[in-house]
Amino acid sequence: KQEVTQIPAALSVPEGENLVLNCSFTDSAIYNLQWFRQDPGKGLTSLLLIQSSQREQTSGRLNASLDKSSGRSTLYIAASQPGDSATYLCAVTNQAGTALIFGKGTTLSVSS
Amino acid sequence: GAGVSQSPRYKVAKRGQDVALRCDPISGHVSLFWYQQALGQGPEFLTYFQNEAQLDKSGLPSDRFFAERPEGSVSTLKIQRTQQEDSAVYLCASSQEGGLSYEQYFGPGTRLTVT
Repeated sequence: KQEVTQIPAALSVPEGENLVLNCSFTDSAIYNLQWFRQDPGKGLTSLLLIQSSQREQTSGRLNASLDKSSGRSTLYIAASQPGDSATYLCAVTNQAGTALIFGKGTTLSVSS
Repeated sequence: GAGVSQSPRYKVAKRGQDVALRCDPISGHVSLFWYQQALGQGPEFLTYFQNEAQLDKSGLPSDRFFAERPEGSVSTLKIQRTQQEDSAVYLCASSQEGGLSYEQYFGPGTRLTVT
């Protein structure tokens, strides 16, 4: 059974710092991996989608990498801002390819 | 519409009541997913539709949970005889095509509280 783990569970940094969020998964047979952002009381916003054949994706200050063989992904946030404060969720496809399996998330707080 | 919408946004039900949660996916999106998110946890998969066909319902926690998408657009998640453990946020997502190669777009969720 696919399991997704995110470390750390919570992270507090001052504005301007670069930071890395980690995600690991137990079964490397995935179709893709997605990183999401969730603000309190709101739904999920997709940040980056990495297909299984890809190694990384970039969007603005965000860069996500995927190492399928080792079951790991990282989300790199450059020059963090208070507006980046949110919970970041990592998700991979299930074996049937019909749903996403999520980690519990990393709650990020960026102070000004 | 611009995105996935869900209604109601908040629902309080007494234990034993039936509830119905509605999801309006992005127009033209083939795939629709329901997830359940307990407090402090990541979303957990409930069920998946491709058009009107329910292709995977392996995540539904009990036979009290039922979902439908009769015309391949709007979907309803029904929970019968609600229990306190059903309290959670129910998220709906849609994607452009079948399968998971395409990005999933999530609605704001319905927060269900069972008292």
